[in-house]
Amino acid sequence: QQPVQSPQAVILREGEDAVINCSSSKALYSVHWYRQKHGEAPVFLMILLKGGEQKGHDKISASFNEKKQQSSLYLTASQLSYSGTYFCGTGNSGNTPLVFGKGTRLSVIA
Amino acid sequence: EPEVTQTPSHQVTQMGQEVILRCVPISNHLYFYWYRQILGQKVEFLVSFYNNEISEKSEIFDDQFSVERPDGSNFTLKIRSTKLEDSAMYFCASSGQGHTEAFFGQGTRLTVV
Repeated sequence: QQPVQSPQAVILREGEDAVINCSSSKALYSVHWYRQKHGEAPVFLMILLKGGEQKGHDKISASFNEKKQQSSLYLTASQLSYSGTYFCGTGNSGNTPLVFGKGTRLSVIA
Repeated sequence: EPEVTQTPSHQVTQMGQEVILRCVPISNHLYFYWYRQILGQKVEFLVSFYNNEISEKSEIFDDQFSVERPDGSNFTLKIRSTKLEDSAMYFCASSGQGHTEAFFGQGTRLTVV
């Protein structure tokens, strides 16, 4: 069953912050976040494993709430290069194939 | 940096024809996947492959699809009799053992006419 992402789309001005959410009705083992630019392959951002950890990557970080079966991706001080579609992929054990949400289209404007 | 490579980058085929999409996963990876993405839509799982056999497949992966690892490096997706609705970007991905990320290739854009 695919995870549900929200919002579907967001427009930001450079320097603004955004939060993208990903929730599942099934127990999660891991959440993977990817960014895809138009016409390109999804690019891995980060992976979160069950345990409620938070990870960071430059000004992009994410949290994983195992109890609530959801993850959030935080983008702070957004840059033009952050534009793209963000997908969360969920897995229920080590190397099971990811099931992706429908994506959140993020547009950062000057 | 190691990467997943896919060929061809674009394939145009007539309805009813067979196509083979090729992928070279990252060399020390053990898990291989095919995904597809219809234009403007989400990335959909097709099949996963481990230890020379299919480990999981989705409802999309019906009898017209097959996968093979013909040698130690290539991983192929065959579509036997293509339909118009098979037009999509097909991504190959691979991952290592354990809780690691899946690396995606650049994709093959399949257009069925």
